[in-house]
Amino acid sequence: DQQVKQNSPSLSVQEGRISILNCDYTNSMFDYFLWYKKYPAEGPTFLISISSIKDKNEDGRFTVFLNKSAKHLSLHIVPSQPGDSAVYFCAASPFNNTDKLIFGTGTRLQVFP
Amino acid sequence: GAGVSQSPRYKVTKRGQDVALRCDPISGHVSLYWYRQALGQGPEFLTYFNYEAQQDKSGLPNDRFSAERPEGSISTLTIQRTEQRDSAMYRCASSLDRVWTQYFGPGTRLLVL
Repeated sequence: DQQVKQNSPSLSVQEGRISILNCDYTNSMFDYFLWYKKYPAEGPTFLISISSIKDKNEDGRFTVFLNKSAKHLSLHIVPSQPGDSAVYFCAASPFNNTDKLIFGTGTRLQVFP
Repeated sequence: GAGVSQSPRYKVTKRGQDVALRCDPISGHVSLYWYRQALGQGPEFLTYFNYEAQQDKSGLPNDRFSAERPEGSISTLTIQRTEQRDSAMYRCASSLDRVWTQYFGPGTRLLVL
């Protein structure tokens, strides 16, 4: 039972354009959401997060949007750069167990020149 | 400063052998987490510690898996009587305290023959 779903295994975007990575969740008890980025042979690194009391959080080129009614969040990267090429994991944490992160299966982003 | 380190980076073992995987968290980080990641999947929660206390071990697959963090710093994940299905990447993460961002180590890739 996959509680956090990333339905697109891969995404290819031209440099300078917007990358949109999507994530859906099923558990209404999730109230904190994070995006991690992973390069080959390295561990995932934290990118950006959002609490359920917000619907948007922005950090430089990265913006995360949360639609609680649709149980959907997305990560926007604009403008995309070749160095953004990596696997992106969406993760969620329930309000009654904030130490437990449930990860999605990841989306591989390729930014080409 | 130094990030989370894990050793060994690669471990090949024969079925039935015991293995011990080590995690050295970021200095001062209170919380330590263990995850398992299969190919093409996101990290799957196994267990976590606050200081030396194991707070949640609900993700450990069975009683062959155990973890300890006796002095609240370095942690060891032990798998007894390994089976081929235990083959995966085992990742450790640490955080300053609960709910804070988790920082991942590079992982130990375990292959059980």
